[in-house]
Amino acid sequence: QVQLQESGPGLVKPSETLSLTCTVSGGSISSYYWSWIRQPAGKGLEWIGRIYTSGSTNYNPSLKSRVTMSVDTSKNQFSLKLSSVTAADTAVYYCARDYQGMDVWGQGTTVTVSS
Amino acid sequence: EIVMTQSPATLSVSPGERATLSCRASQSVSSNLAWYQQKPGQAPRLLIYGASTRATGIPARFSGSGSGTEFTLTISSLQSEDFAVYYCQQYNNWPRRMYTFGQGTKLEIK
Repeated sequence: QVQLQESGPGLVKPSETLSLTCTVSGGSISSYYWSWIRQPAGKGLEWIGRIYTSGSTNYNPSLKSRVTMSVDTSKNQFSLKLSSVTAADTAVYYCARDYQGMDVWGQGTTVTVSS
Repeated sequence: EIVMTQSPATLSVSPGERATLSCRASQSVSSNLAWYQQKPGQAPRLLIYGASTRATGIPARFSGSGSGTEFTLTISSLQSEDFAVYYCQQYNNWPRRMYTFGQGTKLEIK
């Protein structure tokens, strides 16, 4: 079955850019939407945005000015970049397949913003 | 932005009893509503999509209902593994493609 795995630095300095990649295994990345969601410790879920395999994107308006998503179908991967990070961006970041709800999730990766 | 409000924040129920969780949208989301279960240290798991369709592998004791702005998740006979946090999420296209989650309901053992 399809599995997702997030990867990227666990520590990012304030004002720098957070970069994460999600690798899709057990199935093709094509013809689906793929989302990023984050969750600060002890808090709820926040949708960051989504990307289709064509490269079409939708972003949360509250983050839109800082978010860039991309997809590499040859590697079965999609990526998230979040610029100008602050401590408020410290969270567990999840990638998920966006199909009739978010039906497949990665295990999540913790990103801490600190100098 | 469509705001999703879940109630109650915490629900205490005994094993074997029924649990009813509510989710209200600030404007109509039609049936574009999903429910997720999250246990500590784990990613959320999709339970229900389309307001009432169980996701693959989800036991029949989980059921969803509602449309428009009022939604309910019912767990008919609570098992020990059901005690967790539950989130609703709208994925309506209008006025824009923007997903929002409720703040969650913690289902705890009474």
